[in-house]
Amino acid sequence: DAGITQSPRHKVTETGTPVTLRCHQTENHRYMYWYRQDPGHGLRLIHYSYGVKDTDKGEVSDGYSVSRSKTEDFLLTLESATSSQTSVYFCATSGSSGTTRIGDTQYFGPGTRLTVL
Amino acid sequence: GQQVMQIPQYQHVQEGEDFTTYCNSSTTLSNIQWYKQRPGGHPVFLIQLVKSGEVKKQKRLTFQFGEAKKNSSLHITATQTTDVGTYFCAVYGGATNKLIFGTGTLLAVQP
Repeated sequence: DAGITQSPRHKVTETGTPVTLRCHQTENHRYMYWYRQDPGHGLRLIHYSYGVKDTDKGEVSDGYSVSRSKTEDFLLTLESATSSQTSVYFCATSGSSGTTRIGDTQYFGPGTRLTVL
Repeated sequence: GQQVMQIPQYQHVQEGEDFTTYCNSSTTLSNIQWYKQRPGGHPVFLIQLVKSGEVKKQKRLTFQFGEAKKNSSLHITATQTTDVGTYFCAVYGGATNKLIFGTGTLLAVQP
């Protein structure tokens, strides 16, 4: 597996509190992604990044923001967590250093289980 | 936007039986990828298909890409308990690096 770590691995928080999830990669991959996984919905893209400071929205971006200040780190922030954001969050990366080839394999981190009470 | 339908959602088989999951799109695909996620784990890349009518094998797994490049299938021969998990197909949405996942097929294998 690619060197992708996520922190924290588990978090329980209360409605209305801010939450930041971190994804760290050691592969120098250009693209990084945040997904959420919920029963019956598969993996849904929240936001993705195609370079440092370059990000774009996915299909379920409302209530989430992201930042990428370094190639290796991609942060996902829930400004004010809601119970509907209880989910498992996966970070993924793709693209060997500098390449932009469509169809690259995605490598996933171990996931963060977030519970919003 | 790009969507892929995956069926069935769930399949329960006896060990030794075969298993197939299907992925369908209303539009022509440039390529399709398959991933496996073990229970409690993360998705892991299995294979990518690019050519019309392409067939690739990995031991007991056979992957096919339709002639019209609108559908794909994953077939497992003689399932084993190690095959348990959710199988996802995934396609890239247009000229971007956004990967769109199917809803997945959960495979349960009874010993």
